[in-house]
Amino acid sequence: AQSVTQLDSHVSVSEGTPVLLRCNYSSSYSPSLFWYVQHPNKGLQLLLKYTSAATLVKGINGFEAEFKKSETSFHLTKPSAHMSDAAEYFCVVTTSGGSYIPTFGRGTSLIVHP
Amino acid sequence: GAGVSQSPRYKVAKRGQDVALRCDPISGHVSLFWYQQALGQGPEFLTYFQNEAQLDKSGLPSDRFFAERPEGSVSTLKIQRTQQEDSAVYLCASSQGIGNEQYFGPGTRLTVT
Repeated sequence: AQSVTQLDSHVSVSEGTPVLLRCNYSSSYSPSLFWYVQHPNKGLQLLLKYTSAATLVKGINGFEAEFKKSETSFHLTKPSAHMSDAAEYFCVVTTSGGSYIPTFGRGTSLIVHP
Repeated sequence: GAGVSQSPRYKVAKRGQDVALRCDPISGHVSLFWYQQALGQGPEFLTYFQNEAQLDKSGLPSDRFFAERPEGSVSTLKIQRTQQEDSAVYLCASSQGIGNEQYFGPGTRLTVT
């Protein structure tokens, strides 16, 4: 069984300040973890993925995430928010020993103030 | 190259009508997923194809939902006798294989009145 919890439904930051979107997962097997972004009326776009290589993963648009097995976390960070980062973000888990069917979190809405 | 496309982008159906939603995956992608995304929620898995074979349909909410991919490329999600609770965005995604990165289409927003 697998599950993912996004700890914040909304995160509000000022432009130029750091972003932290939190994600915890549960998995019976070795997980693969993904972060996707969804802009209004657009398809989901992959930001980054962890598949058992380096625990610090760098993605597009300056985002990165760190896989912490001891904390079962995969938090998404960015040093400096841009207005264009305002969107919905989804954390996703799949498992190598399971069915590979992805499980999505409920999403975190990132609001960026000027 | 072209990404995943879905049609129609918006569909309004009266309760009881049948609808068909189309997905054109990226050429060469063997895996195809359908998801349902309710307002304010994350996408939820409906069904999965490997080429033309439907390997998992455990997420289909009722026997009114049916999906097919007869030639291993284009897929159609059909909903019979639509109900109000079927109102959602239906997302299609394709990938080179199970466990690989998924590429999503823009979705079809279905509203049942």
